[in-house]
Amino acid sequence: QITLKESGPTLVKPTQTLTLTCTFSGFSLSASGVGVGWIRQPPGKALEWIAFIYWDDDKRYSPSLKNRLTITKDTSKNQVVLTMTNMDPVDTATYYCAYRVGGSSYFDYWGQGTLVTVSS
Amino acid sequence: EVVMTQSPATLSVSPGERATLSCRASQSVSSNLAWYQQKPGQAPRLLIYGASTRATGIPARFSGSGSGTEFTLTISSLQSEDFGVYYCQQYNNWPPLTFGGGTKVEIK
Repeated sequence: QITLKESGPTLVKPTQTLTLTCTFSGFSLSASGVGVGWIRQPPGKALEWIAFIYWDDDKRYSPSLKNRLTITKDTSKNQVVLTMTNMDPVDTATYYCAYRVGGSSYFDYWGQGTLVTVSS
Repeated sequence: EVVMTQSPATLSVSPGERATLSCRASQSVSSNLAWYQQKPGQAPRLLIYGASTRATGIPARFSGSGSGTEFTLTISSLQSEDFGVYYCQQYNNWPPLTFGGGTKVEIK
């Protein structure tokens, strides 16, 4: 059974750095072709893709957020970590991690999401 | 960036009727398009990938069609549990991966 779960702070202040962890089970991020991505959704709005990491540690970022993002993986812990610097109230959203089984970059499995509010 | 545009924004359909949702890409994405369903308070669920292939466990009443820039998701006979917001996503030309703005399906 494949599961993913996001964890991290629910409230951050403007200008702070957000660190979110995706802990997963049921697959290995060292298997060829697989990957994990982060997607966010502001309240009442559409989905926005943020970042993606491949099994071979190749990484992709949203061009509009690239300068603020870092995605890493710890295969031994079955975790993917996303850091986003200089948080702003417009970054308030539910943040999801999601798993790509392989080959093409749609997401087969999603975590439940975690709501992050940016406010002073 | 490939812009994905979904229509209509809201669709009200009676149980048992057909629902047709549209997704348009600003440039060709070949058949590299996925559809997701999202219910309130839940994560999105993959319905369709490759424009027309149902994901594991998705009922046959869901079907996808199209290629290039025009795509359609059809729910042949709407069930009460099919309410929610439906998103399309292209994965042909990225980064960035891009989603449409969503179509909300309401039960009439």
